[in-house]
Amino acid sequence: GAGVSQSPSNKVTEKGKDVELRCDPISGHTALYWYRQSLGQGLEFLIYFQGNSAPDKSGLPSDRFSAERTGGSVSTLTIQRTQQEDSAVYLCASSGERLNYGYTFGSGTRLTVV
Amino acid sequence: ILNVEQSPQSLHVQEGDSTNFTCSFPSSNFYALHWYRWETAKSPEALFVMTLNGDEKKKGRISATLNTKEGYSYLYIKGSQPEDSATYLCAHRAGGTSYGKLTFGQGTILTVHP
Repeated sequence: GAGVSQSPSNKVTEKGKDVELRCDPISGHTALYWYRQSLGQGLEFLIYFQGNSAPDKSGLPSDRFSAERTGGSVSTLTIQRTQQEDSAVYLCASSGERLNYGYTFGSGTRLTVV
Repeated sequence: ILNVEQSPQSLHVQEGDSTNFTCSFPSSNFYALHWYRWETAKSPEALFVMTLNGDEKKKGRISATLNTKEGYSYLYIKGSQPEDSATYLCAHRAGGTSYGKLTFGQGTILTVHP
């Protein structure tokens, strides 16, 4: 596609439910990243996929969070047993391998856990 | 400096004023410094990717400089316009195996008053 597409744009869920957030990167971009911004905080790194290499999961805050990237394209971030502190804007970005032009971000998913 | 720090946190200027912000980052293991602009209800947009000490980049009325030895970058906006109102983020990219991962500062929120 022309840009990075994220869905849903907004998600309200009850505490304890599982949620899936989807990211469709720019075609041909080998790298895909997930970040989140909680209220009053900066952008926090979650996970990074580069080609066929093992993902860098060092930013995932707990084992309730997982992500996969199928066929080197679409990625899904899954949060199990959501908690109120998971409420944030979840941003996906993609880039070429060399990152010469920076990230191209999607418009984000605003997750609210009630 | 262990983290990426930006100052000021927020800034209000009048239309036509020139302004600048600071980004401080770890000077060791430096690979690149990115600047992004994030307008409300939009996706963050890459402004500059800077890699060399002494780099200066320009895009219209916006320019940036880089000092990798002392670990800081300045972003300048000449003749601010209301449409420049946004959050300006800088991000540090370290060398190493997870080289695509960026560490973001908290951002500087710029408001330009007509």
